[in-house]
Amino acid sequence: GQQVMQIPQYQHVQEGEDFTTYCNSSTTLSNIQWYKQRPGGHPVFLIQLVKSGEVKKQKRLTFQFGEAKKNSSLHITATQTTDVGTYFCAGGGYGQNFVFGPGTRLSVLP
Amino acid sequence: SQTIHQWPATLVQPVGSPLSLECTVEGTSNPNLYWYRQAAGRGLQLLFYSIGIDQISSEVPQNLSASRPQDRQFILSSKKLLLSDSGFYLCAWSPLNSNQPQHFGDGTRLSIL
Repeated sequence: GQQVMQIPQYQHVQEGEDFTTYCNSSTTLSNIQWYKQRPGGHPVFLIQLVKSGEVKKQKRLTFQFGEAKKNSSLHITATQTTDVGTYFCAGGGYGQNFVFGPGTRLSVLP
Repeated sequence: SQTIHQWPATLVQPVGSPLSLECTVEGTSNPNLYWYRQAAGRGLQLLFYSIGIDQISSEVPQNLSASRPQDRQFILSSKKLLLSDSGFYLCAWSPLNSNQPQHFGDGTRLSIL
C-alpha cells in the first residue's frame, strides 16, 4: 500500500533560522496536504497542493509539490517560537484516503 | 460554520473495561468521518472511516469498533480495552469528496491502567 515518509523526524533550530521538512510518497499522489499540530493540540489544516510543480506561500511558509507528484516540502523562513509543533504531510492517492506521514517535530529555541 | 465535538477530553480506564468515545459534527451534511489514533510523539494511524450511516471501513485489525448511527455521529468502542489501546484518539471530518481537507476534533487522551 501507499507509504508516506517525512524527514527529518526532529529539528531543533534557533529562532530566526530557516526550517525545511520533506515528504516522500511511495506512489504518485493526486494531491498532498500539510497540517500543523501544536503541542497538546490537534492537527490543523494548512494547505493543499494539487498540480505538479506547484508552489504556494503563506507568509513565511512555502510549500512545494514535486514535478513527479511523489514528494513535497515545507520551508519556513526565519522561524519564530510560534512555529513550534509537528508538521504532517498527508498524501492523497487516486480514489484512496489520505495517508499521513509520521511528522516532523520542530523546536525553536528563543 | 462547521464544528466538530469530541468527548471526553481525557479518560483513564482499567484494562478489560469497555470504551465509548463519541464525535459529532455540526453545520454540514453527509460528511466523511474518521477515527485516528496517535501514540505519544508519533504520527496519525487511521483506524476507521465512514462515508455514510452504517458504512464503516476498518483500516487495521484491532479490538476496537466504530459505528455511525446518525449522519453526523461517529462512535468508537471497545468491549475490552488492552494496555496497547492507550493513546490520543482523534475524530475528523471532511466534505463528502474525499480529496478535501480534514478537520479534527480536540481529541481524547486515553490512558489504560
